[in-house]
Order: sequence, then C-alpha cells, then structure tokens
Amino acid sequence: DSGVTQTPKHLITATGQRVTLRCSPRSGDLSVYWYQQSLDQGLQFLIQYYNGEERAKGNILERFSAQQFPDLHSELNLSSLELGDSALYFCASSVQGQTQETQYFGPGTRLLVL
Amino acid sequence: AQKVTQAQTEISVVEKEDVTLDCVYETRDTTYYLFWYKQPPSGELVFLIRRNSFDEQNEISGRYSWNFQKSTSSFNFTITASQVVDSAVYFCALSDKYNTDKLIFGTGTRLQVFP
Repeated sequence: DSGVTQTPKHLITATGQRVTLRCSPRSGDLSVYWYQQSLDQGLQFLIQYYNGEERAKGNILERFSAQQFPDLHSELNLSSLELGDSALYFCASSVQGQTQETQYFGPGTRLLVL
Repeated sequence: AQKVTQAQTEISVVEKEDVTLDCVYETRDTTYYLFWYKQPPSGELVFLIRRNSFDEQNEISGRYSWNFQKSTSSFNFTITASQVVDSAVYFCALSDKYNTDKLIFGTGTRLQVFP
C-alpha cells in the first residue's frame, strides 16, 4: 500500500458526460501528479500540483482540469467525455515535487466511456 | 529529447529462470534519476527502485538486481530465480529537471512466469 488513495476505483459513463476523480496524497506529501495510462499512449503525465498551486502541465486536454485543495487532496475533472478518454488514471504524490523524489502511485481509477 | 525505450514488449519464462529486462534512456541533462515500477495484474503501480545519475553502483535487493551503465545509457533489471508472483508489467522511467519533475515512462515489458 503506497498510502495514496484514489476514488472511485471504477467509473462507467457515457460520451458527453463529466466525471470527477479524487486523490488523497500520502501523509506529508505536498505534491500531486496525475497520469493517464491508455493502450495507445502508454503512461503519460497530465498535470502536477504543489501545495495548491499548479506547477507543471503535460499533454492535458482542454476538456480536462484539476485542482489541489487546502487539505492537499486533488481532483481531476474530465468533461465532454469521448470514447478515447477511456483509460486508467493514476494519481501520484511526492514530498516536495522535486526531480529527485520518488513518486508513489495510487491504485488508479479505471474509466470506461461508452 | 528525453526518452525511455524498453524494447522487449513481452517475455515469458519458466519459474526459477533468471530474466533481464532492458531499459535504455536518452537525456540531455547531467543530473537525472531513473526508476523501475511494477504493475501487477491488479493494476496498481508499485515503486521498486530509484537511482541517480551519479551513482553507478549496481544494486541488489533479494532476487532483484539493477545494472546501471552510463556509458550505454542503460538501466537493466534482473530477476533471479523468477516466481509466478513476478508476473507483471515492468516500467522503467526517467526524471530530470528539463521535464519539470514529471516521469517519462517506457512502454513497459510484460513478464509472464509460468509454473
């Protein structure tokens, strides 16, 4: 158990809908990362937050947004969902969000868009 | 550009065989960090090891060992006396300051260990 929690574990929804994925980092970690794992794109970085502020952005679609709250949990919002958004979404956390730190991953949320 | 290549898509072995998973990386930074993660069938990503670019010592942890060679930009992972529980997808990843702290993952190697 990495100490990172994600809810829900599974999500099935329809095209055009909006969903919210939730992540709680390990105790003491200030930085949260979101990654998407899909069959065609592999594991890709989406976005990083540090202590409530956005720090880095990857290949995140405009239909996707995220935020980190004062209690350090983070939410990833996916809207106008398309079939191609079906994937495993991981949250990871690290202490200070720096290059040398290990990122610990949550169990993931498996999203299926029908 | 930063890149991680895991050329072996899938490897099958019989229990107790040794197996080596290859990882080759590209980076323009002189300070970087390499990682291995395991993704068992249940889907979570489990951290295995972190190595920084200044430490070329090989590392052994039980049946796992890692060979870091800067000269060939490789960070290979060997499982000795493999077990069925080692069946998983293994990812090699790179982190450096040019990528603003995110991880760049290879495409993964699926290891199947048969009894």
